[in-house]
Amino acid sequence: GAGVSQSPSNKVTEKGKDVELRCDPISGHTALYWYRQSLGQGLEFLIYFQGNSAPDKSGLPSDRFSAERTGGSVSTLKIQRTQQEDSAVYLCASSLAASGGARETQYFGPGTRLLVL
Amino acid sequence: AQSVTQLGSHVSVSEGALVLLRCNYSSSVPPYLFWYVQYPNQGLQLLLKYTTGATLVKGINGFEAEFKKSETSFHLTKPSAHMSDAAEYFCAVSTAQRGATNKLIFGTGTLLAVQP
Repeated sequence: GAGVSQSPSNKVTEKGKDVELRCDPISGHTALYWYRQSLGQGLEFLIYFQGNSAPDKSGLPSDRFSAERTGGSVSTLKIQRTQQEDSAVYLCASSLAASGGARETQYFGPGTRLLVL
Repeated sequence: AQSVTQLGSHVSVSEGALVLLRCNYSSSVPPYLFWYVQYPNQGLQLLLKYTTGATLVKGINGFEAEFKKSETSFHLTKPSAHMSDAAEYFCAVSTAQRGATNKLIFGTGTLLAVQP
């Protein structure tokens, strides 16, 4: 079946502009995660959505970052007033949370490579 | 707090040689442990995971890992390296802590090179 998809695959923007990154999880997966992969910080958790529960936003690095998940499916990560340090690969993952919880495999998309000039 | 340490950011082996990628974790509660592989310009793909039960876990592409609680380790091995194994490998930990987000905490990764 179809895996996790992300768009765009690459995004180049100018400092100060806003960007939106999209994630389409695997159909039926109730849990959705955003991670960021950068040279300086490695792979770090950003935000977690599980069903209709309030998202865990504890990993968002600043209030310029926000995310939403509409209809329990597609998610959008928004970065306002982008800075050069926001340059990274943004990875989305989804999983069957159900009763398995943390033992469930997270399936990753190919990522969006963001470059802020 | 949980953490993962991967010893060796770069490992180079010859084709046909043993692959050993080291991972140590820190967790105050029983961990769930994962190994992911990332090929250039791609997302992460699960190689194997340990949740409960048998401590020797077999994964895809001939890889396996053994959970050793006494050593807080989850090293990844493969008896014979192939050129196609060249990639970056990430060890990650999560827990079943009630109420906690099921996020993965990743190590810094090990870049595996396979020499002909």
